Amino acid sequence: DGGITQSPKYLFRKEGQNVTLSCEQNLNHDAMYWYRQDPGQGLRLIYYSQIVNDFQKGDIAEGYSVSREKKESFPLTVTSAQKNPTAFYLCASSIASGGALNEQFFGPGTRLTVL
Amino acid sequence: QKEVEQNSGPLSVPEGAIASLNCTYSDRGSQSFFWYRQYSGKSPELIMFIYSNGDKEDGRFTAQLNKASQYVSLLIRDSQPSDSATYLCAVRPLRGGSQGNLIFGKGTKLSVKP
Repeated sequence: DGGITQSPKYLFRKEGQNVTLSCEQNLNHDAMYWYRQDPGQGLRLIYYSQIVNDFQKGDIAEGYSVSREKKESFPLTVTSAQKNPTAFYLCASSIASGGALNEQFFGPGTRLTVL
Repeated sequence: QKEVEQNSGPLSVPEGAIASLNCTYSDRGSQSFFWYRQYSGKSPELIMFIYSNGDKEDGRFTAQLNKASQYVSLLIRDSQPSDSATYLCAVRPLRGGSQGNLIFGKGTKLSVKP
């Protein structure tokens, strides 16, 4: 059963705490992405990775960090430096980045709330 | 700043009618265009993509692209209450620091009334 999984579905963070969101895919996709969605807003790109052991900042990378040690996994850490982390976080993957028709497929998302 | 603009809605149509969702984009060199459907509280689901001028049909959905006008639309024929969702337009620009990553509009909320 191919797809993208994210965990946890809901996450609560205390002030000053780092939290890590998991994203795993078994689609054999090279590229993976993290987006943030706020109510009534479009998706904003946090980080993306085109290949293992390489990743680039997106439009709103401050306060976030990622790693890409395995092709299947692209975890996102929300650090205490991110002052307004409450949002819906979406992980996506595509066959490769930059190709004209490389559509992105999304995981189910993680809803993060700061207590 | 590359932008993708959508009317936020809500767009309300009666069941069985045609729903027309519109999207404009600023980067004239944009290569491909995607429509995602997002139900409340869920993640986006790809429903169509188009890259050539003209129409592309898939079941009840038709995507229309006019690159000269920098305009892409999604038509939903015979709208059903289950089509009620937010529809996100996404554009892949030709150039940019993110190497062709998608730029998303804020979405149009569609409500189909029984």
